[in-house]
Amino acid sequence: DIQMTQSPSSLSASVGDRVTITCRASRTIRSYLNWYQQKPGKAPKLLIYAASSLQSGVPSRFSGSGSGPDFTLTISSLQPEDFATYYCQQSYSTPLTFGGGTKVEIK
Amino acid sequence: EVQLLESGGGLVQPGGSLRLSCAASGFTFSSYTMSWVRQAPGQGLEWVSAISGSGGSTYCADSVKGRFTISRDNSKNTLYLQMNSLRVEDTAVYYCAKDPYGDSYFDSWGQGTLVTVSS
Repeated sequence: DIQMTQSPSSLSASVGDRVTITCRASRTIRSYLNWYQQKPGKAPKLLIYAASSLQSGVPSRFSGSGSGPDFTLTISSLQPEDFATYYCQQSYSTPLTFGGGTKVEIK
Repeated sequence: EVQLLESGGGLVQPGGSLRLSCAASGFTFSSYTMSWVRQAPGQGLEWVSAISGSGGSTYCADSVKGRFTISRDNSKNTLYLQMNSLRVEDTAVYYCAKDPYGDSYFDSWGQGTLVTVSS
């Protein structure tokens, strides 16, 4: 199984900050990496697929980059509605696996 | 508008069974691979099982292999998860999710249904 490791597990940031979350796969997954946002009590929401493609309707302040084992999700200017938990997910092979999550909290 | 509505969750004793359903609307259900993803209380996301649009191919996590069975009825636009030999560690919110291109990511999710396994 491919293990997905996210860092940090949590962070505190202010509105307007630039936020970066990293995700590392235990082996190469080419660009088969996706990012989701989840708010408490809600289903996850797809933000980025195929490492860097922005899902329709997602604000452009979200961006993804990377390939192989190392990936990054960047929020260019954090907004109040962005406080949530973010998960990466590899879609290279089954079993599909998720990272442990990064909780973005208000500083 | 894509809608996915799960049902069938509840409280069950260890060793018991439960069948979850996911009613789909707003898209051509039979054209899409569908998955079940679960989330234990306070924990992260875990992919459980997937099924191709025709139902001819299925995949599942080792943690549920031999106990859970995914299926679909394309005439009813409904996805199922039959869960047998339930364990305490199966306690979670179960989400159904749609795979837009067969690339194993999920662009639409249901609201989830809670399964609690406890004596």
